[in-house]
Amino acid sequence: SQQGEEDPQALSIQEGENATMNCSYKTSINNLQWYRQNSGRGLVHLILIRSNEREKHSGRLRVTLDTSKKSSSLLITASRAADTASYFCATDAYGANNLFFGTGTRLTVIP
Amino acid sequence: ETGVTQTPRHLVMGMTNKKSLKCEQHLGHNAMYWYKQSAKKPLELMFVYNFKEQTENNSVPSRFSPECPNSSHLFLHLHTLQPEDSALYLCASSQDLRQETQYFGPGTRLLVL
Repeated sequence: SQQGEEDPQALSIQEGENATMNCSYKTSINNLQWYRQNSGRGLVHLILIRSNEREKHSGRLRVTLDTSKKSSSLLITASRAADTASYFCATDAYGANNLFFGTGTRLTVIP
Repeated sequence: ETGVTQTPRHLVMGMTNKKSLKCEQHLGHNAMYWYKQSAKKPLELMFVYNFKEQTENNSVPSRFSPECPNSSHLFLHLHTLQPEDSALYLCASSQDLRQETQYFGPGTRLLVL
C-alpha cells in the first residue's frame, strides 16, 4: 500500500513546546502534503512539499522531506492550545490520480 | 470555511432506511471525492468524479450509490446499510483530477443502528 504512516500515533505537549510528527511512505511520489483535522471535522490543507524540495516553511510550520528514506516530518513551533488536532500526511504518488492518507497523529497541546 | 459544504452534518438511520448525503462545492472545481473515515483507520477513498464522470470506485459495496449531476454537486445515496458503515463521510474537491490540494467539507457523521 502507498498509504503513509504517521508516527507517533498520539503526542501530548505543553503549550509553547515544539511538536514533531513523522510520516513514512512506500513508493515514489510527486509531492507530500500535510493536513489538519479538528475533532469530527473535515481536513484542512496545511502545506505541500514537492519531491525535489527538502524543506519548506509556512508560519510556525516546518516540513522536511527525505525521498531517499521515504519520510517526512512536520514541526510545529511554539505550540498553542488551538493546535490540538489530528495531523495527516498525504502522498501524491506517481501514476496515481488520488491522494493516499495515513492514520494520523493526534496532537494534544496542554495550556 | 473551505468552500465545500455537506448536509446533513449528523445522520442516524436504521438498516432498512434510505437516505442521501449531499455535498456542494463553491470553488469551481472539476473533481470531487467521497471518503470514509472510521476510527483508527486511514482515510478510505470511496469514489472519484471528474467533470461529472465517475473515474474511480474503490471496491465500494453497492449499498453506497454516488451521483454527480454537475461539477458542483455530489450525492451519496445510502440503502440497507450495516452498523459497520457508521463513520464520518467526507466530501472533497480539487481543481482537476491531478490537482495537488484537496478541499474538504466538514463531513457527515453517520450512525447506523
